[in-house]
Amino acid sequence: AQTVTQSQPEMSVQEAETVTLSCTYDTSESDYYLFWYKQPPSRQMILVIRQEAYKQQNATENRFSVNFQKAAKSFSLKISDSQLGDAAMYFCAYRSVKETSGSRLTFGEGTQLTVNP
Amino acid sequence: DTGVSQNPRHKITKRGQNVTFRCDPISEHNRLYWYRQTLGQGPEFLTYFQNEAQLEKSRLLSDRFSAERPKGSFSTLEIQRTEQGDSAMYLCASSSYRSPNTGELFFGEGSRLTVL
Repeated sequence: AQTVTQSQPEMSVQEAETVTLSCTYDTSESDYYLFWYKQPPSRQMILVIRQEAYKQQNATENRFSVNFQKAAKSFSLKISDSQLGDAAMYFCAYRSVKETSGSRLTFGEGTQLTVNP
Repeated sequence: DTGVSQNPRHKITKRGQNVTFRCDPISEHNRLYWYRQTLGQGPEFLTYFQNEAQLEKSRLLSDRFSAERPKGSFSTLEIQRTEQGDSAMYLCASSSYRSPNTGELFFGEGSRLTVL
């Protein structure tokens, strides 16, 4: 079974600064998806960024980018120019490409990000 | 609003009572998922449907839990004889099997259960 570990329960960053959230995972599969989801307080979880394991290029979405190290099974999220609206719980998630898994996600424990003005 | 809708948003019940949550997925999505999230933790998979078929159930889904998706549209999650340990946020998500299959799940805002 796949596992996802986020070793930073809490992180803080000053507004306009850069912060990196860590995630490691364990799998025996060679192809899979990795995601970062954001969960603001009392609001639904939304997708921040997605990475396909077969792609060597790191995904980027505006101020959000990942550092995907497949051999190390590491998938960190970098938030540049942090904004107050970035404050939320961030979850790293794994999804197998095998249809037998039904596309379900395996989540890490989450990292609570605080953005200080 | 064409997102995933969950009702009720918050339910407070006494131990031993039955509760039911409803999820309306995005209309063109044929896959529907239920997750449970306790405070400060990541969501844990409970079960998922493809159309009306329940294809997988987690070991977390005890006999007191039952989920249905009778017409392949909305789904209900019922918890019988609730226990205090059932207190959690119950999240529903949906996705489309049809391409482009991005692997992304779309989540609702959740139904928070408090068992007294």
